[in-house]
Amino acid sequence: DIQMTQSPSSLSASVGDRVTITCRASQGISNYLAWFQQKPGKAPKSLIYAASTLQNGVPSKFSGSGSGTEFTLTISSLQPEDFATYYCQQYDSYPYTFGLGTKLEIK
Amino acid sequence: QVHLQESGPGLVKPSETLSLTCTVSGGSISRSYWGWTRQSPGKGLEWIGYIYYTGSTKYNPSLQSRVTMSADTSKNQFSLNLTSVTAADTAVYYCVRLTYSSGWAKLPHFDDWGQGALVTVSS
Repeated sequence: DIQMTQSPSSLSASVGDRVTITCRASQGISNYLAWFQQKPGKAPKSLIYAASTLQNGVPSKFSGSGSGTEFTLTISSLQPEDFATYYCQQYDSYPYTFGLGTKLEIK
Repeated sequence: QVHLQESGPGLVKPSETLSLTCTVSGGSISRSYWGWTRQSPGKGLEWIGYIYYTGSTKYNPSLQSRVTMSADTSKNQFSLNLTSVTAADTAVYYCVRLTYSSGWAKLPHFDDWGQGALVTVSS
């Protein structure tokens, strides 16, 4: 199985900040990488697929990049509603696998 | 945007079968792929598998011997059966919709998620 490693595991930031989360795959996955946002007690929400394509309705403050084994999710101008846990997932090969998450907290 | 809603027992006894149904509204299950993912504190997010309305399936090898998925186009629902459950199967189970981003994409990506159903395995 492809292992997905996210860093950092937690991150403190202030409203208005710009943050970047990194996701590394244990082998090349082209651009078959998705990002999800999850708030406490809620289902994950799909943000990005194909490494950089925003899902419908996702604001442009979210951006993704990368290919192969290294990917990033950048969130600009953080607002209170952006503080959540973010997960990456590869869908290059079966079984689909997820990272362990990055918890973004308010400083 | 489609809406997905999980339903089924919240408590299952060890060695019995966990059964969940996902009802889809706002779209037909005769489009897209439909799957299940679970989340437990110990194992994080785990993909279980998906089904196409024709009945074609793909399962996680770690669960394949115990998993069966089915789809009912007349009810616009799809279902998950997981046999011989243990406490390790206690989790929140999410149904999801998957689609291909293009004709040349290798595999479908996740789009919409249900709200999730907590299933506890305990006697």
